[in-house]
Amino acid sequence: ETGVTQSPTHLIKTRGQQVTLRCSSQSGHNTVSWYQQALGQGPQFIFQYYREEENGRGNFPPRFSGLQFPNYSSELNVNALELDDSALYLCASSQNWGPYEQYFGPGTRLTVT
Amino acid sequence: QQQVKQSPQSLIVQKGGISIINCAYENTAFDYFPWYQQFPGKGPALLIAIRPDVSEKKEGRFTISFNKSAKQFSLHIMDSQPGDSATYFCAATLGGSQGNLIFGKGTKLSVKP
Repeated sequence: ETGVTQSPTHLIKTRGQQVTLRCSSQSGHNTVSWYQQALGQGPQFIFQYYREEENGRGNFPPRFSGLQFPNYSSELNVNALELDDSALYLCASSQNWGPYEQYFGPGTRLTVT
Repeated sequence: QQQVKQSPQSLIVQKGGISIINCAYENTAFDYFPWYQQFPGKGPALLIAIRPDVSEKKEGRFTISFNKSAKQFSLHIMDSQPGDSATYFCAATLGGSQGNLIFGKGTKLSVKP
């Protein structure tokens, strides 16, 4: 069974730029959720994708957007990067039925300078 | 408004001792309460989870105690080992296909040899 994978591992961007982060879900999972984890804090829910559509969103501005593909992999796009966007971005996959456990990938560390 | 409050912020335990981390929640509609373990530079790993119709769940050295009337739940780590040194997060969710996890702020556990 393949776990959740994310790419890239680390990324450095300049304020105002755009970034795309990628996530491959665990085998058998059809739902992907994205979280932002600031240093020393718990993860904060950004949004969830199911059947290629956004299925719930946290308190994040529209410049945070995403996609889910037919193979259930997903992308997180952030436009007009701000310094406060520096964080660990986590992807979690799950099934939309049964126990609903969410399994996290290793994350992408984004630094905005 | 923080919906899941976690304490303590940090915890130091001797090897072989019992580590106890507490969480309190506000939304009585929450129906799934997982605990995650996170090592530095890694994504959170699902440790153990409980539903509100059960008062206790044990898996190996890890036990969740759940008090529905008090809206509190706790993680007990028996026979704590140096390898357990990590940050632990409690979380809560409404479950289902829109089960976005709401995390506590985390507890940094250090187990001294």
